Amino acid sequence: AQSVTQLDSQVPVFEEAPVELRCNYSSSVSVYLFWYVQYPNQGLQLLLKYLSGSTLVKGINGFEAEFNKSQTSFHLRKPSVHISDTAEYFCAVRDTGFQKLVFGTGTRLLVSP
Amino acid sequence: ETGVTQSPTHLIKTRGQQVTLRCSSQSGHNTVSWYQQALGQGPQFIFQYYREEENGRGNFPPRFSGLQFPNYSSELNVNALELDDSALYLCASSPRESPTEAFFGQGTRLTVV
Repeated sequence: AQSVTQLDSQVPVFEEAPVELRCNYSSSVSVYLFWYVQYPNQGLQLLLKYLSGSTLVKGINGFEAEFNKSQTSFHLRKPSVHISDTAEYFCAVRDTGFQKLVFGTGTRLLVSP
Repeated sequence: ETGVTQSPTHLIKTRGQQVTLRCSSQSGHNTVSWYQQALGQGPQFIFQYYREEENGRGNFPPRFSGLQFPNYSSELNVNALELDDSALYLCASSPRESPTEAFFGQGTRLTVV
């Protein structure tokens, strides 16, 4: 069964600094990869997804992620964060043959002035 | 075009009771999935419905059941509630033409006392 590991439970960063949120998944023949953001008392909003093709994926709000098959990683990056980026971020994987999403435990991004 | 809506937003139930949570899928979406998100955890897949039939199930007991209606709205029913059922329950719908993308509602916060 697929699994996702988010190595950092919390990442504190200052406003306008760069950030990387790490995600590793268990190996499979082929997978679809996703990053979701969750603001307090809200549902999940899709930031970006990797289905195939270019390994560098650009998403909303200036986020991007790079799919690395050899390292089974899908790290999320932003070159300059804002206070409004403070939220919980979830990495998820879906086997191409199955419908369900498997989520990591989440990384809380805390942006301070 | 409306998004995925869930009702109610908050609910308090007593241990042993039964609960029904509702989800209205986004227009044109024929697949609906339910997830349970315990406090401080990532969402866990409960089950998925496609064309009114269960299309996959996670590691949840039979007291978790569901329905999908012809208009693609959905219900999650939980019988014999336990304290550990306290969680945020998320509904996600997917369009027929892009089954890899899941759109989440804002969730229902269930508290079992």
